[in-house]
Amino acid sequence: AQKVTQAQTEISVVEKEDVTLDCVYETRDTTYYLFWYKQPPSGELVFLIRRNSFDEQNEISGRYSWNFQKSTSSFNFTITASQVVDSAVYFCALADNNAGNMLTFGGGTRLMVKP
Amino acid sequence: EAGVVQSPRYKIIEKKQPVAFWCNPISGHNTLYWYRQNLGQGPELLIRYENEEAVDDSQLPKDRFSAERLKGVDSTLKIQPAELGDSAVYLCASSSGGYTEAFFGQGTRLTVV
Repeated sequence: AQKVTQAQTEISVVEKEDVTLDCVYETRDTTYYLFWYKQPPSGELVFLIRRNSFDEQNEISGRYSWNFQKSTSSFNFTITASQVVDSAVYFCALADNNAGNMLTFGGGTRLMVKP
Repeated sequence: EAGVVQSPRYKIIEKKQPVAFWCNPISGHNTLYWYRQNLGQGPELLIRYENEEAVDDSQLPKDRFSAERLKGVDSTLKIQPAELGDSAVYLCASSSGGYTEAFFGQGTRLTVV
């Protein structure tokens, strides 16, 4: 069965600090996809990134970067020089063959960036 | 391009009353999902459609929940009768299929009193 664990339920940082959100997943499939979504107070889940299990290259997009390590079943998300607008709940999610293309979400990490 | 549209945004009903939610997916997206998100938790899938066919509804409480996607575009999710435990945010999402990313609507926040 697939499972996603986000051990950090809440993180508080001061603006301009770097912050890493952890994500650990479980799956029996060799083919799977990992996602990160942002949920601001407005409630809409905003897609951030999708990675497949065969691509372990780290990715950087502006202040965002993602570290995918199959050896530790982790897909961590780092925000560099955090800003108040980054305050939101962040969800990591997994889709694998066993579940079709259904997304299994972690419990989310609430990030609070203080000015 | 318009995103996923849901209505209403908020709904307050008394227990045992019926309620319905509506979703209009992104144009051209054949896959449509309904998720339920309880407070402080991640979304959980209720049902997934491929065009007008429900291909995964194992998590849908069928005694009180029903869904339809006529003509493979818009979808409605109904609860009848509602219970206090149904209070949650109901999210609709759509994708172009496969393992492509799903795009979510703003959700309907249901409060059952």
